[in-house]
Amino acid sequence: SQQGEEDPQALSIQEGENATMNCSYKTSINNLQWYRQNSGRGLVHLILIRSNEREKHSGRLRVTLDTSKKSSSLLITASRAADTASYFCATSPRGTSYGKLTFGQGTILTVHP
Amino acid sequence: GAGVSQSPSNKVTEKGKDVELRCDPISGHTALYWYRQSLGQGLEFLIYFQGNSAPDKSGLPSDRFSAERTGGSVSTLTIQRTQQEDSAVYLCASSLMGLDYEQFFGPGTRLTVL
Repeated sequence: SQQGEEDPQALSIQEGENATMNCSYKTSINNLQWYRQNSGRGLVHLILIRSNEREKHSGRLRVTLDTSKKSSSLLITASRAADTASYFCATSPRGTSYGKLTFGQGTILTVHP
Repeated sequence: GAGVSQSPSNKVTEKGKDVELRCDPISGHTALYWYRQSLGQGLEFLIYFQGNSAPDKSGLPSDRFSAERTGGSVSTLTIQRTQQEDSAVYLCASSLMGLDYEQFFGPGTRLTVL
């Protein structure tokens, strides 16, 4: 079953613009992670935010987490054509003793040069 | 160092045949996961191996699916009597033990059941 719901399902922007993707989830979590996928194959880990953290940065990426609303957002600043990919949030449900992940449906980002 | 590798990259089989998918995790990673990605179901957890502990098979969709991990390293996912709904990309991931370690994914095996 899919815990995460991502919004929007698809996003199309111009190079240089910022891209914001949102993720909502249903149950309490240990952490939330964002992954990127190119061409429907392997996923690449972008960033992990723990349940006691509210914001995290990594390069052009900024992730926020609001556990009261059970939601997270991923901001990519100054987007590039190479950022074109599918982006997934994944949650590690609280109560699991390991990193079993439940993925959202993903946002397809297209950055036009 | 080498990442997670999977073989074959593509597999086409006929309905009713058995298939074996292989995953070589990153050396030293004690946790190994199998996921499945299909158009209708998105990314689904299938099974988890952690060291010598009993695997968590809670995500396997039917008893036609099984997996093993030999020597705490290489893993094989076997699907018996394949059905068309088994068509998907099968992804393997590995990580260090614990909650807050990122999972490193392989490139996946695209399975097509005719």
